[in-house]
Amino acid sequence: GEQVEQLPSILRVQEGSSASINCSYEDSASNYFPWYKQEPGENPKLIIDIRSNMERKQIQELIVLLDKKAKRFSLHITDTQPGDSAMYFCAASENNNAPRFGAGTKLSVKP
Amino acid sequence: EAAVTQSPRNKVTVTGGNVTLSCRQTNSHNYMYWYRQDTGHGLRLIHYSYGAGNLQIGDVPDGYKATRTTQEDFFLLLELASPSQTSLYFCASSANSNERLFFGHGTKLSVL
Repeated sequence: GEQVEQLPSILRVQEGSSASINCSYEDSASNYFPWYKQEPGENPKLIIDIRSNMERKQIQELIVLLDKKAKRFSLHITDTQPGDSAMYFCAASENNNAPRFGAGTKLSVKP
Repeated sequence: EAAVTQSPRNKVTVTGGNVTLSCRQTNSHNYMYWYRQDTGHGLRLIHYSYGAGNLQIGDVPDGYKATRTTQEDFFLLLELASPSQTSLYFCASSANSNERLFFGHGTKLSVL
């Protein structure tokens, strides 16, 4: 199956600054790239996603970029707030094949 | 919000024990998945299914069986539990494999 690498594993930023998480994948057939946020004791929840026919997508302070040639995608959180502190997971999937996840990034936003 | 219900929420068993984790979705989704979550490894795919009676092997299937009895119900079976299977297990569902996943609240399993 698909292999997804996610970095960094730990990210600490100051409130109001930006945070960036990077993922790479191996299978060029992957066409759907979601990002999930998991708060302590909770289940992962989708926060933003991008499909292979797009290069950039933004929802409020969340920006995702996709570089299909390099097989890389990234999440950028602008103007971080303490409420953004959580685990973040990237994933990649293709038609008829289950999503594979990165190992996760623990984001801490310091006031 | 789509609903995925897992049971039990917590389970403690002994080495060699028999455990069944249950998952039900009421979203009319085709796909259902079992993942395990361990620190440093993220979410690893155990098994998944795209419909009743179907089973696909994931990336970490050893020691696990799964069965999709209906569109709604997907079970994970550990017939001879080992301490290495101590983990947080998530069930999820999606309409298709390249659509968003809806997760259950997880089952924390401890194998002593």
